[in-house]
Amino acid sequence: SYELTQPPSVSVSPGQTARITCSGDALPKQYAYWYQQKPGQAPVLVIYKDSERPSGIPERFSGSSSGTTVTLTISGVQAEDEADYYCQSADSSGTYRAVFGGGTQLTVL
Amino acid sequence: EVQLVESGGGLVQPGGSLRLSCAASGFTFSSYWMSWVRQAPGKGLEWVANIKQDGSEKYYVDSVKGRFTISRDNAKNSLYLQMNSLRAEDTAVYYCARTDIVVVVAATHFDYWGQGTLVTVSS
Repeated sequence: SYELTQPPSVSVSPGQTARITCSGDALPKQYAYWYQQKPGQAPVLVIYKDSERPSGIPERFSGSSSGTTVTLTISGVQAEDEADYYCQSADSSGTYRAVFGGGTQLTVL
Repeated sequence: EVQLVESGGGLVQPGGSLRLSCAASGFTFSSYWMSWVRQAPGKGLEWVANIKQDGSEKYYVDSVKGRFTISRDNAKNSLYLQMNSLRAEDTAVYYCARTDIVVVVAATHFDYWGQGTLVTVSS
């Protein structure tokens, strides 16, 4: 089955830039999406179609894609950004099956 | 304002059944694909199933095929998940999610989520 691979954890100090990667063989042909999930809360979409930002999401959140890797970048990290982040995409079967990465816990030191 | 409210979770014995519901409001329900996504305690997100606007297409993760059935009632703005032959590994918070589709590449993602309902499978 298709897999997306994320690092389990990333740590940054406030004001620094956090980069969370997600790797998958089908990513050159499929869009990637990113979700933020804080403890006890439902996930929130923060990036769609690799690099688009939904309304209401701060500009410090951005996304990029290069080959089989997509990256979520959070510039000027704030304490409130501490959360789990999940990438999501689809396999190349053409059947609308979604796949999530294992998640990355972002710690703001 | 988009609202998705799940219900129907609870404690069930292995081999038992449960039906989850999701009441949608704040958008034209019949215009959107809808999905169920689950999260086992302390674990990551797992897509479970999705359904097309008119119910004509349904997709499932392999681990629930033949046991779970997704359905919808557009007249009631409601999404359902019938879960049969439940196993301990089905224990999770189940989220209802509005789903956006990019047809050209068969991409799917989730732009609004409910707060979830907890399903516990245990004897």
